[in-house]
Amino acid sequence: GENVEQHPSTLSVQEGDSAVIKCTYSDSASNYFPWYKQELGKRPQLIIDIRSNVGEKKDQRIAVTLNKTAKHFSLHITETQPEDSAVYFCAASYDDYKLSFGAGTTVTVRA
Amino acid sequence: DGGITQSPKYLFRKEGQNVTLSCEQNLNHDAMYWYRQDPGQGLRLIYYSQIVNDFQKGDIAEGYSVSREKKESFPLTVTSAQKNPTAFYLCASSPTGGSSEAFFGQGTRLTVV
Repeated sequence: GENVEQHPSTLSVQEGDSAVIKCTYSDSASNYFPWYKQELGKRPQLIIDIRSNVGEKKDQRIAVTLNKTAKHFSLHITETQPEDSAVYFCAASYDDYKLSFGAGTTVTVRA
Repeated sequence: DGGITQSPKYLFRKEGQNVTLSCEQNLNHDAMYWYRQDPGQGLRLIYYSQIVNDFQKGDIAEGYSVSREKKESFPLTVTSAQKNPTAFYLCASSPTGGSSEAFFGQGTRLTVV
């Protein structure tokens, strides 16, 4: 099966700075890479995703990059705001019906 | 917010008892999933179902059972065989499978005493 590793486990940034979370995956057949955000006490929600035929995708202040050769993908958050504080999960789909998640990164944005 | 509903939000059970967690969705999604969330371990897949009357084991299925008799419903039973059942359980659904957005329920926190 797929193994997804996520780093760092915690990240503290000053408001306005950028945050970067990195994930690696093991199965070269994985072709779909979503990122979920889970605010305290709430359900995970999809914030951005990327497929293996695309190297980069951007949506306002968030972007995801994918390096298939190295089997890693990253989430970039620019101009961080207090509402960006949450746990972020990366995932990889190696089977059309299975997502393998990383362990999560707790992001804290300091005012 | 609706879409996918889990109940109850908190559940307490005595050790050795089976317990069933409810998950209902009105999104007309074919695929449904159960995940377990433990601190520092992310979301781990317990069971998933692609269509009615069919389901597959995930990565940590031992001690759990499911059924999918209706498209809208995917209940999870935590049996007495599950050695460490205390956890946060999340149900999810997606239109066509893992390569599409998964919508999560609000979760059920199960505590076994």
